[in-house]
Amino acid sequence: GENVEQHPSTLSVQEGDSAVIKCTYSDSASNYFPWYKQELGKRPQLIIDIRSNVGEKKDQRIAVTLNKTAKHFSLHITETQPEDSAVYFCAVGRGGSYIPTFGRGTSLIVHP
Amino acid sequence: DTAVSQTPKYLVTQMGNDKSIKCEQNLGHDTMYWYKQDSKKFLKIMFSYNNKELIINETVPNRFSPKSPDKAHLNLHINSLELGDSAVYFCASLSLGGVEQFFGPGTRLTVL
Repeated sequence: GENVEQHPSTLSVQEGDSAVIKCTYSDSASNYFPWYKQELGKRPQLIIDIRSNVGEKKDQRIAVTLNKTAKHFSLHITETQPEDSAVYFCAVGRGGSYIPTFGRGTSLIVHP
Repeated sequence: DTAVSQTPKYLVTQMGNDKSIKCEQNLGHDTMYWYKQDSKKFLKIMFSYNNKELIINETVPNRFSPKSPDKAHLNLHINSLELGDSAVYFCASLSLGGVEQFFGPGTRLTVL
């Protein structure tokens, strides 16, 4: 089955800095790569996703890059703000009968 | 007009008891899931149902039994609760052909 590794497990930055979280996966047939944000005590919510036919996608301060050859993808958050503090999960999946595999999560702390 | 709802939000019970958690989605989605999130925040998939039929059952003890009376509901019944069952349980749903999962608010189960 699919194996997803996510690093780092904890990331501490100063407000205004950039943050990068990386995930690697094992199944070359995987074609969908979402990122979820989970604030303390809340549910995971999709913040950005990318499909295998695209190398990069941006939405305001967040971006995701995908390297299919190396089987890794990354979440980039620029100009971090305290409200970005949360646990971020990457996931990997395929269309059809969709059963995503989640990474173990990264706890991002943004210090004001 | 909550998209995915769960009841109860909190559940505190004694070891050995039987309890149920209910999940309902009003999005018209075809696939529903149950996840367990432990104290280290790892999101582990337990079950996936498509149109009331089980399509995946990860290595979950048979004390856990999902029940889907219709496409909009997926309930989780747990027999003979153990201390290690303490966690937050999330229900999620997915549209046919879709890839974005919508999560419920979670149920925090504490077994004493």
